[in-house]
Amino acid sequence: DVKVTQSSRYLVKRTGEKVFLECVQDMDHENMFWYRQDPGLGLRLIYFSYDVKMKEKGDIPEGYSVSREKKERFSLILESASTNQTSMYLCASSLRGGSGNTIYFGEGSWLTVV
Amino acid sequence: RKEVEQDPGPFNVPEGATVAFNCTYSNSASQSFFWYRQDCRKEPKLLMSVYSSGNEDGRFTAQLNRASQYISLLIRDSKLSDSATYLCVVPGVGLTGGGNKLTFGTGTQLKVEL
Repeated sequence: DVKVTQSSRYLVKRTGEKVFLECVQDMDHENMFWYRQDPGLGLRLIYFSYDVKMKEKGDIPEGYSVSREKKERFSLILESASTNQTSMYLCASSLRGGSGNTIYFGEGSWLTVV
Repeated sequence: RKEVEQDPGPFNVPEGATVAFNCTYSNSASQSFFWYRQDCRKEPKLLMSVYSSGNEDGRFTAQLNRASQYISLLIRDSKLSDSATYLCVVPGVGLTGGGNKLTFGTGTQLKVEL
């Protein structure tokens, strides 16, 4: 069974803290994604990685960075958390290729910045 | 027109009813489409893919109208367990490395009642 695991499900952080969200997939997928989901705005792509050490900005990369040192692991970093980054963060992965490949999501990380 | 647009609902229907959701998209070059289901505070999961004119899976039928640029999801004999948010997903402009950038609608909420 496919598995995307987000290690932190619920976090509360203070404004200005550095935050790491970790994601691991066991399907040997090339592509990995970080989305955030907010009411009324749907899922928005923050960053995408198509290979180790490769990354591409999504629609809302400001305030975030990512790291992909190993194929199975994709980390999202908030260098200095702000209250407007309170959200649900979803990691996902898929095979490389055309747009027909299914994307699999982790269970989500609920981040509250106070 | 927005990239992907859905009626947010909620659609409140009695058990056993037939319900249909529409989703309009702006990218006429999109070839494949998806419906994802998302339960409250859970991650989205693939429900159906649509590659040609339509796809049927049990009580669920997805149809594609390329001329009018919309896809629909029909649920027959709805069950209490069908209560969820249904996300329309449309491939957008491709990402580097063969990635598949997907644009998610904001979702249509369905509530099936006794």
